Amino acid sequence: SQQGEEDPQALSIQEGENATMNCSYKTSINNLQWYRQNSGRGLVHLILIRSNEREKHSGRLRVTLDTSKKSSSLLITASRAADTASYFCATVTTGANNLFFGTGTRLTVIP
Amino acid sequence: EAGVVQSPRYKIIEKKQPVAFWCNPISGHNTLYWYRQNLGQGPELLIRYENEEAVDDSQLPKDRFSAERLKGVDSTLKIQPAELGDSAVYLCASMLLRSGANVLTFGAGSRLTVL
Repeated sequence: SQQGEEDPQALSIQEGENATMNCSYKTSINNLQWYRQNSGRGLVHLILIRSNEREKHSGRLRVTLDTSKKSSSLLITASRAADTASYFCATVTTGANNLFFGTGTRLTVIP
Repeated sequence: EAGVVQSPRYKIIEKKQPVAFWCNPISGHNTLYWYRQNLGQGPELLIRYENEEAVDDSQLPKDRFSAERLKGVDSTLKIQPAELGDSAVYLCASMLLRSGANVLTFGAGSRLTVL
């Protein structure tokens, strides 16, 4: 079974706008990761945030983690058409090395 | 460095036929995963290997699915016989297991269509 759920399921924005995706999960985690998947391709790792971290940045990406609410958000600033893809959160549960993926958010950036 | 290589990329078979997928992980990565991804869904874990040992196969439907990882490098995933509901993308991923950095590198996937 999948660990997380993303919200919204689909998001459509204009180029230059910011995109925010949310992820909720169910159990205690060691870390949470975000991956991107372009249509017909494999997943590509974007960013990892550990359970003792609250915020992390990488380029135009900003990830937050609230372990008390069991939730995370991914913010993509100044979006580009090339950001069009599906985005998945994945959790690593405490004491395990399995990654469990959420249901994904399909982002469309309109040029 | 070469990425995770999977083959075939596409496979169309009739139900009840067997099918096999092959994965070559990144050199030196000791952990290998097989995931199944249905259309519009996230990947679901089937099996995880550490070296040649299957350390978690709890999600693998063992009545028709089997996997092996000989010599702790390449891996194959087999379905016999295939059913209509097996149509999906089968993703392989590898990782160098070390504390606090469970980042996966995925292959492009093998898309299976069962008719």
